[in-house]
Amino acid sequence: GQSLEQPSEVTAVEGAIVQINCTYQTSGFYGLSWYQQHDGGAPTFLSYNALDGLEETGRFSSFLSRSDSYGYLLLQELQMKDSASYFCAVKDPNTGGFKTIFGAGTRLFVKA
Amino acid sequence: GAGVSQSPSNKVTEKGKDVELRCDPISGHTALYWYRQSLGQGLEFLIYFQGNSAPDKSGLPSDRFSAERTGGSVSTLTIQRTQQEDSAVYLCASSPDSSNTIYFGEGSWLTVV
Repeated sequence: GQSLEQPSEVTAVEGAIVQINCTYQTSGFYGLSWYQQHDGGAPTFLSYNALDGLEETGRFSSFLSRSDSYGYLLLQELQMKDSASYFCAVKDPNTGGFKTIFGAGTRLFVKA
Repeated sequence: GAGVSQSPSNKVTEKGKDVELRCDPISGHTALYWYRQSLGQGLEFLIYFQGNSAPDKSGLPSDRFSAERTGGSVSTLTIQRTQQEDSAVYLCASSPDSSNTIYFGEGSWLTVV
């Protein structure tokens, strides 16, 4: 089977940097993804890491260490609109790498 | 439209009734997923369809839940004899065969009273 762990809540101030961690346990590994979900909205894709290292997309970056089964999402220059839930996700290796399993999500509160 | 479409967007039903939730995936996407999300909670995997392969039903919580996908496109999630604990948002998502990104619909909000 597979499992993902991430903090339930994180609070940060506007303009700051915040890191949301994710650790995973899988029998195989096909990459780590991150999704954002605003209240009442649908989850939307943010980033994907298949290899070790940092991937940067504007204010958001995602990091992966396969040897540590660990990744994080880094949000810089926080804005109020970044208040949302953030989910890490992996592919279930038992089904050929297609089934996506999500962590429980981290609720980010951005304060003024 | 270009995105994943779900209907109804909201459904209130009486306990014990059956409900059907519909999902129209993005055209050409071969993978289709159903997830359930209770208020303030994570995304619970329910079922996954990939092309013509047998669906992965390992996440369905009970035999009251079933889903089908006709013609490799539209999918229907059916909940029989609904219970109050079935109240949640039911999210459908689709993805291209080999892409890592999955695209979600806006969800069907189910309330069982």
